[in-house]
Amino acid sequence: DIQMTQSPASLSASLEEIVTITCQASQDIGNYLSWYQQKPGKSPQLLIHSATSLADGVPSRFSGSRSGTQYSLKINRLQVEDTGIYYCLQHYSAPLTFGSGTKLEIK
Amino acid sequence: EVQLQQSGPEVGRPGSSVKISCKASGYTFTDYVMNWVKQSPGQGLEWIGWIDPEYGSTDYAEKFKKKATLTADTSSNTAYIQLSSLTSEDTATYFCARSGWYFDFWGPGTMVTVSS
Repeated sequence: DIQMTQSPASLSASLEEIVTITCQASQDIGNYLSWYQQKPGKSPQLLIHSATSLADGVPSRFSGSRSGTQYSLKINRLQVEDTGIYYCLQHYSAPLTFGSGTKLEIK
Repeated sequence: EVQLQQSGPEVGRPGSSVKISCKASGYTFTDYVMNWVKQSPGQGLEWIGWIDPEYGSTDYAEKFKKKATLTADTSSNTAYIQLSSLTSEDTATYFCARSGWYFDFWGPGTMVTVSS
């Protein structure tokens, strides 16, 4: 199974700050990596697909990048509504695997 | 507008089974795979498996192969997950999620509580 190591587990940042969340894949998964945001009591919402493509309706302050088997989600100019838990997902091969999640809070 | 409507909360006794539904609308049901994802209280997301509604083919994560059964009814555009031999470990919220590759639409989740 492909392991997705996500860091950090939690993050507290100020408004307008830039934050970065990373996922390290245990093997090559190409661009089969997506990012999701989950708010309390809600289902996850797609932010980034294909490692770097912004999903429809997602603010442009979110971006994704890839360096080898390391994937990053960057949030520019952090806003209050960006609080939540962020997950990566590899959909290169079954079993599909999620990262362990990053809880993002505003200072 | 794509919508995934899930059935309401379930309470099951230990050893029993429950069946959750996910009714799709706003797209051609057979054009996309339907995934199921488990989220235990306060925990992360676990992929259970997927079903291709067009062919009825399925794939499961190893730990769910004896726990979950995925089916789909193309006449009603509804996907189902049945959870058997319930234990306290099955208490969780279960999401359906559509995918071509990535999960672009999710249902609101169905909470299953296992209690005697």
